[in-house]
Amino acid sequence: AQSVTQLDSQVPVFEEAPVELRCNYSSSVSVYLFWYVQYPNQGLQLLLKYLSGSTLVKGINGFEAEFNKSQTSFHLRKPSVHISDTAEYFCAVGKWGKLQFGAGTQVVVTP
Amino acid sequence: NAGVTQTPKFQVLKTGQSMTLQCAQDMNHNSMYWYRQDPGMGLRLIYYSASEGTTDKGEVPNGYNVSRLNKREFSLRLESAAPSQTSVYFCASIEGTGVQPQHFGDGTRLSIL
Repeated sequence: AQSVTQLDSQVPVFEEAPVELRCNYSSSVSVYLFWYVQYPNQGLQLLLKYLSGSTLVKGINGFEAEFNKSQTSFHLRKPSVHISDTAEYFCAVGKWGKLQFGAGTQVVVTP
Repeated sequence: NAGVTQTPKFQVLKTGQSMTLQCAQDMNHNSMYWYRQDPGMGLRLIYYSASEGTTDKGEVPNGYNVSRLNKREFSLRLESAAPSQTSVYFCASIEGTGVQPQHFGDGTRLSIL
């Protein structure tokens, strides 16, 4: 069985400040990990994914995430956020569309 | 534009009514998926279709049926709607060699009174 815990339900952040969204997972098998972003009234968009190889994964819009097997974490980071990064972010584990999603982290960027 | 199209975008039903949510993709993807999104719970997989002619249950299939009409279309049917099925429903597809949905529809917001 696989599961995902997103440790923060909401993260307020000022424009141009860094942000980190925390995600911990549990799985009895090798994992594929993903971060998605959802803007209001839209579907999810894939930000980045970890399948294998380098533990530092770079995605779109300046986001990156680091896979840490010993801590079973896959935290998402961005060094400098923009107003347009205001959205909900979901961590997910699994493959072939059979994904377990976290409950989401709402990021609110203010000037 | 290529992508996943869902209809309708909004719907209000009374308990016991039936309806079908439509999903179509024009990217020639083999696999298609239906999820529901509830507040504080992320997305949960209802049903999926790995290829034309096949369908399988996901995590929360009770109260739903699906049809993979052809390679493009994958519909979700509520035979007798219940208030617990009030949710936002998303359709997604995966290209042949992919391991995760890249493309989601914009969702159908369904309220059952």
